[in-house]
Amino acid sequence: QSVLTQPPSASGTPGQRVTISCSGSSSNIGDNVVNWYQQVPGTAPKLLIYTNNQRPSGVPDRFSGSKSGTSASLAISGLQSEDEADYHCATWDDSLNGPVFGGGTKLTVL
Amino acid sequence: QVQLQESGPGLVKPSQTLSLTCSVSGGSVSSGSYYWSWIRQPAGKGLESIGRIYTTGSTNYNPSLKSRVTISLDMSKNHFSLKLTSVTAADTAVYYCAKILRPGSNAFDIWGRGTMVTVSS
Repeated sequence: QSVLTQPPSASGTPGQRVTISCSGSSSNIGDNVVNWYQQVPGTAPKLLIYTNNQRPSGVPDRFSGSKSGTSASLAISGLQSEDEADYHCATWDDSLNGPVFGGGTKLTVL
Repeated sequence: QVQLQESGPGLVKPSQTLSLTCSVSGGSVSSGSYYWSWIRQPAGKGLESIGRIYTTGSTNYNPSLKSRVTISLDMSKNHFSLKLTSVTAADTAVYYCAKILRPGSNAFDIWGRGTMVTVSS
């Protein structure tokens, strides 16, 4: 049972815009920044978005993040087949005094 | 560019101790106000933080694992280690070591490739 809640799956067709939600509480998302990771099966997670909406160098601007209250979202526009992966949200939890993650969302490009 | 690599036994018997090492290259485990983390992922499931160690040597552990976990730093070998005692099948997972983006951040920008650990007799 993950601390943050994500839908287990999402899908879209090439060129579409897809959003993935991440729900938490006042002790985690409500009080801290959110990060997102992309994980191709069989490989390590890759930092995709940090501090709610910042992209590391090399991440296309098709990927964007937002946060409101105790929830956050990852949006992918102009969906491409290479975007098919698992996406994990993460933040800090003040009660647990450590990083917490969502259960991951498997994105399928139809 | 910092790189991380996990190493250790891929098979551990129930009730025994899981021991892994994360070797750091391209940087020093003792530089800056960073912390170094261990994170695991059971097959088909989400990521779980195990704990972290700061360059000062202080540690913080996931409360659910705290009684069984020890993370240590070896500056002479430029690596940090994980020990998890009294393992059960529930500890079977891919174990990753990771580094934060910058001091004060909790975003992990560098990850090891991960090492699969199976707990079985």
